[in-house]
Amino acid sequence: KNQVEQSPQSLIILEGKNCTLQCNYTVSPFSNLRWYKQDTGRGPVSLTIMTFSENTKSNGRYTATLDADTKQSSLHITASQLSDSASYICVVRDRFNDYKLSFGAGTTVTVRA
Amino acid sequence: DSGVTQTPKHLITATGQRVTLRCSPRSGDLSVYWYQQSLDQGLQFLIQYYNGEERAKGNILERFSAQQFPDLHSELNLSSLELGDSALYFCASSDPLAGDHNEQFFGPGTRLTVL
Repeated sequence: KNQVEQSPQSLIILEGKNCTLQCNYTVSPFSNLRWYKQDTGRGPVSLTIMTFSENTKSNGRYTATLDADTKQSSLHITASQLSDSASYICVVRDRFNDYKLSFGAGTTVTVRA
Repeated sequence: DSGVTQTPKHLITATGQRVTLRCSPRSGDLSVYWYQQSLDQGLQFLIQYYNGEERAKGNILERFSAQQFPDLHSELNLSSLELGDSALYFCASSDPLAGDHNEQFFGPGTRLTVL
C-alpha cells in the first residue's frame, strides 16, 4: 500500500477559480513534505516544502498546509490560470532514511478558459 | 532549467534491444536518482547513487542497471526491452549536505518508446 495517497485523481476547474488538493500520508516520523508541479512531459519542479513543525507555506498563488497530527496536507491554488494545468505530486521524506522518499500518484489539474 | 541534463530526449527502439540513458547532475550534487514514469502513472523510484556508490534500490528490474562515474554523471542501462518499458525516465540530483531540505532537482526526462 502506498504510503502517500492523493485525492482527487484529477479535476477540472475554470480559469480564475480556486481549488484544493489533498495528500494523506502514513510515513512516520517524517522529515518534510514537499509539493511538486509537473507539467506534461517535463520533470517535476518543487513548489513548497514544509517540515513537521510548519503549518502553512505559500509560494505565490500556491498555499500548502500541513497537519502533522492527522498526517494530512493540502495544496490550495488561488485564482487559477491556464498555466496551472499540470500534475501536482505530494512527496514525503522519511526522517531516518535520508534517501527514502514516498511519492503520491499525483493529482492532474486541468484549468479551462 | 533545473541544471540536470538528460540525453537523449527521445528514444525509439524495438523489443529485445538494449539502450543507455545518460544523466548529468547539477554541479556539485553528489546524489543521482533514477525514476520511471509510465503513461498516467506516478513516479516510480528505481535507484540512487551517491558519489559513485549505490545507495538505495527501489522497484528496479533485474534487466535494468545503473552506474555513477567519477565525474558524477550517471547512466541507466535497460536491456531485453519489453513493450511495458515504454515510459518517461527521469533523473534527479541532490546535494545531501543541503540538510533537511534536501531537494531533488529533476531533469527533463528521456521518453523511451519500445515498439
